[in-house]
Amino acid sequence: AQSVTQPDIHITVSEGASLELRCNYSYGATPYLFWYVQSPGQGLQLLLKYFSGDTLVQGIKGFEAEFKRSQSSFNLRKPSVHWSDAAEYFCAVGQNSGNTPLVFGKGTRLSVIA
Amino acid sequence: GAVVSQHPSWVICKSGTSVKIECRSLDFQATTMFWYRQFPKQSLMLMATSNEGSKATYEQGVEKDKFLINHASLTLSTLTVTSAHPEDSSFYICSARGRGNQPQHFGDGTRLSIL
Repeated sequence: AQSVTQPDIHITVSEGASLELRCNYSYGATPYLFWYVQSPGQGLQLLLKYFSGDTLVQGIKGFEAEFKRSQSSFNLRKPSVHWSDAAEYFCAVGQNSGNTPLVFGKGTRLSVIA
Repeated sequence: GAVVSQHPSWVICKSGTSVKIECRSLDFQATTMFWYRQFPKQSLMLMATSNEGSKATYEQGVEKDKFLINHASLTLSTLTVTSAHPEDSSFYICSARGRGNQPQHFGDGTRLSIL
C-alpha cells in the first residue's frame, strides 16, 4: 500500500537559514509526488509537483524538491527561509488520474525564529 | 488554473443538526471527488471517493450513514454531516479531479464546529 513518511514533526529554523524537509514514500507504481503548504485555518496550497523528467523541480516561493528514486525520497528545500514560511508542510504521493486519491504524510510544522 | 470552491468556509451549529458542505468545480468537469477530514495538528485523512452519478466509496471506519455524499453532477458534490455531534467538529476538505490525466484540485476547506 502506498504511504508517505515525514520523519520530522516540527522543525525550527532561523530566518535566512536554509531548510530541508524530508519525505520518504512507498508506492507500487511510478509515483506522482507533491508538496503542499498549509497555514493555520487555511486550505492547502500546492508548492510543487514531480511527475517525470528532471528530478529537481522548482516550485513557488523559492522552494525546490529533488526526487531520488534510489532513496524513495522527495525532500523539500529552500536556501533562505523567510518568517512568512512558517506553516505546516505536507508531502503527498499518488496518481494523476482515476479514482486513486493522494495520500498525505503526517506533516512537518515549520517555525521560523528571528 | 482549475478552481474548486467549497462552501461554507466556516459553520457553527448545535448538536443534533445536519450540516451540508458544498464542493464545486468552477472551470472543469469533476468526474471524481474526494472528501478529506483533518483534525487539529493532524494530516488529511481520506473519508470517501465519489464518481459522478455513482455511490461514494467510503474508507474503512467512516460511517456512510453519518457522512452522506452526493455527486449528482460533474460540477457539484455535497457532504452532509447528519445529526452532528461535537466529535464531528473538524476541518473538511474536498478535492476534485477531471477526466484524463488531471491532478487533484483542492477546495479551501470548511471548518465545522458543533456546540
